[in-house]
Order: sequence, then C-alpha cells, then structure tokens
Amino acid sequence: NAGVTQTPKFQVLKTGQSMTLQCAQDMNHEYMSWYRQDPGMGLRLIHYSVGAGITDQGEVPNGYNVSRSTTEDFPLRLLSAAPSQTSVYFCASSYSAPGRADIAKNIQYFGAGTRLSVL
Amino acid sequence: QKEVEQDPGPLSVPEGAIVSLNCTYSNSAFQYFMWYRQYSRKGPELLMYTYSSGNKEDGRFTAQVDKSSKYISLFIRDSQPSDSATYLCAMKAGTASKLTFGTGTRLQVTL
Repeated sequence: NAGVTQTPKFQVLKTGQSMTLQCAQDMNHEYMSWYRQDPGMGLRLIHYSVGAGITDQGEVPNGYNVSRSTTEDFPLRLLSAAPSQTSVYFCASSYSAPGRADIAKNIQYFGAGTRLSVL
Repeated sequence: QKEVEQDPGPLSVPEGAIVSLNCTYSNSAFQYFMWYRQYSRKGPELLMYTYSSGNKEDGRFTAQVDKSSKYISLFIRDSQPSDSATYLCAMKAGTASKLTFGTGTRLQVTL
C-alpha cells in the first residue's frame, strides 16, 4: 500500500513564486491535513479537511490555500512564497470525522514530507 | 503558554537503559494521547495511543497517562540504537478533528 504520498520531496523557490505541494492517499480516509515543522516549534496545523469539498483553517493558515475536490487528493498552494515559509511540510490523513469516539479512526498517517526552501 | 510542553532534549542514553519521555498539557479536554516516532528526514509514525488515564504496554514501550496531573509519559525498556529518533507526543479532545503536538524530544541511544 502506498499510504500517503507527497510530491515533490524537495523544492527551492524564489520569493514571490507560487507552487503547489501535492498530497494523495489511497486509504479512503475522510480527514486530511497539512502541517509545517520548524525547529523548536513542532508540528503546526496549516489547513485541514474533513471530507471532499470541506476545508478549514488550522493554526497557521496565512499564505496558504487548499482545496479538496476528491477524497484522495489534498493539495497545498503557496500563492506568493516568502522566506518565512521555508520549512518541512507534512501531509497526514485519518478515517476520523468529527465526533468519532473510536480512537482507531483518529490515528493520523503521515507522508514523508516536502522540504521547501524560499530564497 | 503552549497547550503541550515537551522537553526538546537531546537525551543521550547508553544501550540497554530505560528511557522516560514526558509531556505536560494544559487543556483538560484532551482525552486521546499519542506518541509518534520520527526518524531523521522522515515523517512521523504512530508508536502508541491511549484513551483517558492509565497505562498501555506494547513490547518494550509503555505509555502512561495521568489526567489529574495533566502529564503523559512514554517509557522505553532495553533501549536500542534503532530507537534513536525524535519522539513527539500528540493529543486531542474527544470531538476534535485536530491533533495538538508537542515539539518533540530527540533521543540518542549510544553503543
């Protein structure tokens, strides 16, 4: 099983450029999310989606857009890259929908990450 | 103050030692507690999860939750060099779809 697949693995951008980080999962998970990981800050939630057509903001949404047109895909768009967006980005997915009490449904599976540098 | 606090380490121990990793939290609504392991340049992978208070054991790993103290622990017995990684705690409230992560503790197990 592929699980959660992120592309590209590495990317270097110039300030002001735009790009899309791709995330796909083949586990039929309802919930998908994007995190960024920075030294000393841990994993911070950028955006998340509880199903196709539904997205919401996380802790640090500014400068990022998302959409969820299919269950499988959840791309993250940087509209105008800034050096502050230099980070490692992780996509994650789980079965969970809000209110589910079964903890097994809440387990998040992570992709391998995208290392982004903005010069 | 962060909702979840975790000592970043690094924590260096000799092979065979018992390791104790800890997190404290402030949100009393947290009910689900998880530990993720992250090897260098890899994504986090779930190690263990528990619901509410108590202990859970899985091989060399034991997760412990003390909700009265808002304190969770992960114990690793007979630590191995392959346990060298960053360990992140994560938690969520019952109806929430979002996990709140600690910053991670880097563990180095030496020969």
